[in-house]
Amino acid sequence: RKEVEQDPGPFNVPEGATVAFNCTYSNSASQSFFWYRQDCRKEPKLLMSVYSSGNEDGRFTAQLNRASQYISLLIRDSKLSDSATYLCVVFGNQFYFGTGTSLTVIP
Amino acid sequence: GAVVSQHPSRVICKSGTSVKIECRSLDFQATTMFWYRQFPKKSLMLMATSNEGSKATYEQGVEKDKFLINHASLTLSTLTVTSAHPEDSSFYICSGLRGGPSDEQFFGPGTRLTVL
Repeated sequence: RKEVEQDPGPFNVPEGATVAFNCTYSNSASQSFFWYRQDCRKEPKLLMSVYSSGNEDGRFTAQLNRASQYISLLIRDSKLSDSATYLCVVFGNQFYFGTGTSLTVIP
Repeated sequence: GAVVSQHPSRVICKSGTSVKIECRSLDFQATTMFWYRQFPKKSLMLMATSNEGSKATYEQGVEKDKFLINHASLTLSTLTVTSAHPEDSSFYICSGLRGGPSDEQFFGPGTRLTVL
């Protein structure tokens, strides 16, 4: 079983839509959780860390469910500029990356 | 967020030559840096973990004599691809680990290596 699993998508959504991504992890001792955004042929950029209490940054909300071992990312009011690949990253004894979820926001 | 630079951004070389890639943390000290490679439409693959002042820890299947890593200071790590071959062509990305409670990684812009 992979350490981190993500639905690769692609997700194609209209502008203004709300879209949610989930990511599951296998190591219950994992300590830190992140969502990164990666544009084509660019490096990943940290979107947000995910805290146990959940956290929100503008249109983005991240949540962690330790009991079920998954994290989620919710994007509200999608913009064209949100089109990218979203990587789930989990840190236990090392960093583990999901394969990424591709999002395309359509005009 | 913190800033990590990588140089060069793109390199094309002949088979058999060695290529050196530099990774610098510009506004924080990174006792730990990571080196990844990424193939098109694939996720990042960790190659090695570089700790300042000590030998790098390589992932299984990564040849340490092929990919030489030196982490000479708290802000600089280098990756040298020795005797490069076409199959080494890839996108190489480094990251620095900014200490603190949240273990955040910040990535360099990557180096696209093409070996002819």
